[in-house]
Amino acid sequence: GENVEQHPSTLSVQEGDSAVIKCTYSDSASNYFPWYKQELGKGPQLIIDIRSNVGEKKDQRIAVTLNKTAKHFSLHITETQPEDSAVYFCAASRGATSYDKVIFGPGTSLSVIP
Amino acid sequence: DAGVIQSPRHEVTEMGQEVTLRCKPISGHNSLFWYRQTMMRGLELLIYFNNNVPIDDSGMPEDRFSAKMPNASFSTLKIQPSEPRDSAVYFCASSRESGETQYFGPGTRLLVL
Repeated sequence: GENVEQHPSTLSVQEGDSAVIKCTYSDSASNYFPWYKQELGKGPQLIIDIRSNVGEKKDQRIAVTLNKTAKHFSLHITETQPEDSAVYFCAASRGATSYDKVIFGPGTSLSVIP
Repeated sequence: DAGVIQSPRHEVTEMGQEVTLRCKPISGHNSLFWYRQTMMRGLELLIYFNNNVPIDDSGMPEDRFSAKMPNASFSTLKIQPSEPRDSAVYFCASSRESGETQYFGPGTRLLVL
């Protein structure tokens, strides 16, 4: 079945620096790749997603890149701020079908040091 | 939209007791998911429903766990009897279709003594 790997498991950066989280997936039919942010005491929340017909997507300080040939995708956070500290999950799925589910990576704990 | 609603938010119970967690998905969403999150195992998918029908329950740890979705606006996850190793945060999530963006509830923090 589908497997999603995520690296690193923990990441510490200085405020203002960039953070990069990388994920790989195994199912070549995957075409939807969401990223979730989980703050302490809350449920994961979608922050950005990308579909297989797009190689890169940006939303303010957050960007995602996708390499379908290599089956990997990455989250880039620029000008990090303390409020970016959270656990980030990547995920993959085959998209809007009735019976396929979103597979989550194990998560990356990001700490932004003021 | 109120988002996914879960109750209770916190539950403390003694080993052997029955625990029932409740979830109200976002209106119009066809798929509902139950997850368990612990430090050791991370985020685990327990079961998911599509149009109120259980599609995949392979993540349910054992027969002590059961889930139902009697209608499109309500689901329960029941643990009977509960054990200390069931202590975790249980999340419910919903989506328009099972492979699409999931919206998570705030979770139920369960402690079994």
